Amino acid sequence: NAGVTQTPKFQVLKTGQSMTLQCAQDMNHNSMYWYRQDPGMGLRLIYYSASEGTTDKGEVPNGYNVSRLNKREFSLRLESAAPSQTSVYFCASSGTGGYTEAFFGQGTRLTVV
Amino acid sequence: DAKTTQPNSMESNEEEPVHLPCNHSTISGTDYIHWYRQLPSQGPEYVIHGLTSNVNNRMASLAIAEDRKSSTLILHRATLRDAAVYYCILMNNAGNMLTFGGGTRLMVKP
Repeated sequence: NAGVTQTPKFQVLKTGQSMTLQCAQDMNHNSMYWYRQDPGMGLRLIYYSASEGTTDKGEVPNGYNVSRLNKREFSLRLESAAPSQTSVYFCASSGTGGYTEAFFGQGTRLTVV
Repeated sequence: DAKTTQPNSMESNEEEPVHLPCNHSTISGTDYIHWYRQLPSQGPEYVIHGLTSNVNNRMASLAIAEDRKSSTLILHRATLRDAAVYYCILMNNAGNMLTFGGGTRLMVKP
């Protein structure tokens, strides 16, 4: 059971570099999410996608773009990385309906120097 | 979006019950109450959820107030492995999980 798979697990970027964080789920879920978690803090929603072909901004979308490539995949792109984007990034997916549980990936630890 | 409020931290002794409270006074009628926990260096994992009635599963129980403005996660016998950050969040009927909040850090003493 793969669940939610994030790649890479670790990444170091230089300020101004770009990169894409990949996320894939194999549970046929409609909703997918990207969160960031700064040290000692809770999760903050960056973007989410309620279904294939739709994306919406969350609490902290500035500096990020997303693509819902298909039902399985939801990628997060940093066009010009900044030290303030140093964080752990989590992808999650859930079914349609508030009664469905959400599943999280193991996270991508990103450091921008 | 409806928000949740939880204490920053709580302590418990091993083998004793733990009651973790959550306030969600602006909950809407179709919001489900979900609890997740996050162990160190891991992604959050599902614990339990409910709509109106109290719920039990192998991990925990969820007690929901009659007016649904608050809920309590109950761990019947805390173990050292239960030390984690517990998040109470609301999921709307479209299945969107938008706001996490700060969570409660549970410390379990042997």
